[in-house]
Amino acid sequence: EVQLVESGGGLVQPGRSLRLSCAASGFIFDDYAMHWVRQAPGKGLAWVSSISWDSGIIDYADSVKGRFTISRDNAKNSLYLQMNNLRPEDTALYFCTKTTAYYSGMDVWGQGTTVIVSS
Amino acid sequence: EIVLTQSPGTLSLSPGERATLSCRASQSVASNYLAWYQQKPGQAPRLLIYAASTRATGIPDRFSGSGSGTDFTLTISRLEPDDFAVYHCQQYTSSPHTFGQGTKVEIK
Repeated sequence: EVQLVESGGGLVQPGRSLRLSCAASGFIFDDYAMHWVRQAPGKGLAWVSSISWDSGIIDYADSVKGRFTISRDNAKNSLYLQMNNLRPEDTALYFCTKTTAYYSGMDVWGQGTTVIVSS
Repeated sequence: EIVLTQSPGTLSLSPGERATLSCRASQSVASNYLAWYQQKPGQAPRLLIYAASTRATGIPDRFSGSGSGTDFTLTISRLEPDDFAVYHCQQYTSSPHTFGQGTKVEIK
């Protein structure tokens, strides 16, 4: 079964850091691009960051550029999102997703991990 | 940045009716790199359509996508009870890979 399982969310104070992880299974992880998408409470979806299969292409939303770092470890079938200098507006459910190519629809989604930034 | 505007915000229809959802882009979406997703409360989104008109694996043929350039449409030919949900469009032709704000299809 193709599966993505996020972890690492939690309650954190503004200005602090958090690292999200996404464990992939059921497919050849290093064949595919991976992405992070977030959804603030009661809001729509917002793309956060993308990384190609070999980490050769990396993109960020302007709202997180310079604060968030996406990475992957193909040997561990894992995707990461290092989030520094967190802000209250980063509060959201963070989804890990997979695409068949870097530029493609997101065909597999995890269930998400919740990040709450509050003092 | 390509801004996607979905309309209407809410669509109130009855089971069996046809649903037509619009997604308009602020600039042309090259190669029709546009996807549609369905999201139910408390669940992750599910890919319905990619490349504007190609159904994803396992998606029933009552769902169809059309359009090109800046105007795209998702049509649900005959609504079933399971189809009442929020629908999102997304362009992936250029970074940032923006989403629309969503259309809620609710039971009338």
